[in-house]
Parts: sequence; C-alpha cells; structure tokens
Amino acid sequence: ETGVTQSPTHLIKTRGQQVTLRCSSQSGHNTVSWYQQALGQGPQFIFQYYREEENGRGNFPPRFSGLQFPNYSSELNVNALELDDSALYLCASSLGQRDGYTFGSGTRLTVV
Amino acid sequence: GQQLNQSPQSMFIQEGEDVSMNCTSSSIFNTWLWYKQEPGEGPVLLIALYKAGELTSNGRLTAQFGITRKDSFLNISASIPSDVGIYFCAGRPGANSKLTFGKGITLSVRP
Repeated sequence: ETGVTQSPTHLIKTRGQQVTLRCSSQSGHNTVSWYQQALGQGPQFIFQYYREEENGRGNFPPRFSGLQFPNYSSELNVNALELDDSALYLCASSLGQRDGYTFGSGTRLTVV
Repeated sequence: GQQLNQSPQSMFIQEGEDVSMNCTSSSIFNTWLWYKQEPGEGPVLLIALYKAGELTSNGRLTAQFGITRKDSFLNISASIPSDVGIYFCAGRPGANSKLTFGKGITLSVRP
C-alpha cells in the first residue's frame, strides 16, 4: 500500500502570494488533517477533513483554507502569504477518526 | 497554540543504554501517541495508546498511558545509533478531536 504523499517537497514564495499544497492520503483513509511545523517546534493543527467535510479547525486565520476530494486527496491553500508562514506543512491521514495518523514527508514552504 | 510538555529538549545517551521520556498535559486525553521524526521526513507513528493504564510495546519501545490520563511515558531499551531522532508525544481528548503535540525531545546516541 502507498503511504501519504505530498507535493511539492519544497516551495519558495513571495510575501502576499498564494500557495496550494497537495496531499494524497494512504489508500482507504477517509480522514485527513493538515499541520504546520515551525523549526524546533511540534506540529500545530490547522484543520481536519472527514469525507469531504471540514470537522475541526485549529487557531489559524481564514486565509488558510482546504479541500478534500471524493478520492480523499486534499489541498491546503494559503492566501496573502506572510513571512511567518514559512514552515514544514504536514498532511496526515487515518482510516477512522479514532486511529493514529500516518504523516507524509511534508512540504517545506519558504516565504521571502 | 497549546502544546504538551516534554523535557528535556535534548538527551544524549550511550549506545546500549535505556532511555525514558515522559509527556505531561494540564488536560485529560483519551488517546496518546508517540511519534519519531527524522530530518526531512514527517513524523512516524511508533505506539498508540487508547486506554488509561495501558502498557504497549513495539520491539524495544514500550509506552504507557498514565492512570490520570494526563501523562504518558516512552521507554527505549538497549539503544542503537538508528534511534537518533526527535520523539514527539501527541494527545487527543476525543475521537473527533485534533492531535496536540509536544515540542519533542531530540535523542542522540553515542556509539
């Protein structure tokens, strides 16, 4: 079975731009979550999708938005990028909301 | 944002030694998870705990879900060089809830 795959692996954007990050869930996993991991910190929860509906959101502004598609893949969109948005963005999927999450390798976003 | 408490930030041990890490929270969790992260990779799930008092092993790793549901422990026995990495605890208060992570402990193993 394939794990969680994220694209791109690295990205450099300019302040004020918009970015879309993509995630393919592990086969059969219907729940996907996105996390932001700043350098030297643990991952911080952005939001979670279950069967295409957002069912949980962390303390992130509305310019962070997402989608989950019928095949359970997902996107994270960030508008009006700020320098502090520079971080590793992790996608995690699980079979059910009770299970442990499988993480992808992340997208390293640098905002300059 | 809220984080679990993990300390110290770094640990240095000799190959072959055992090491223990703990994680504490001010609030109750119904699920505790332990992850390991290596450079350039996402966190990898090591052990999941779902019941207070539960003790679970995965090879040389053993983790326990604290009775108070506010803490968890991870033990690594007979450490080897490939145990090097950052170990994160994560907790979840309910099935639909987000995961809250600690800041992680960086483990170094001297050969």
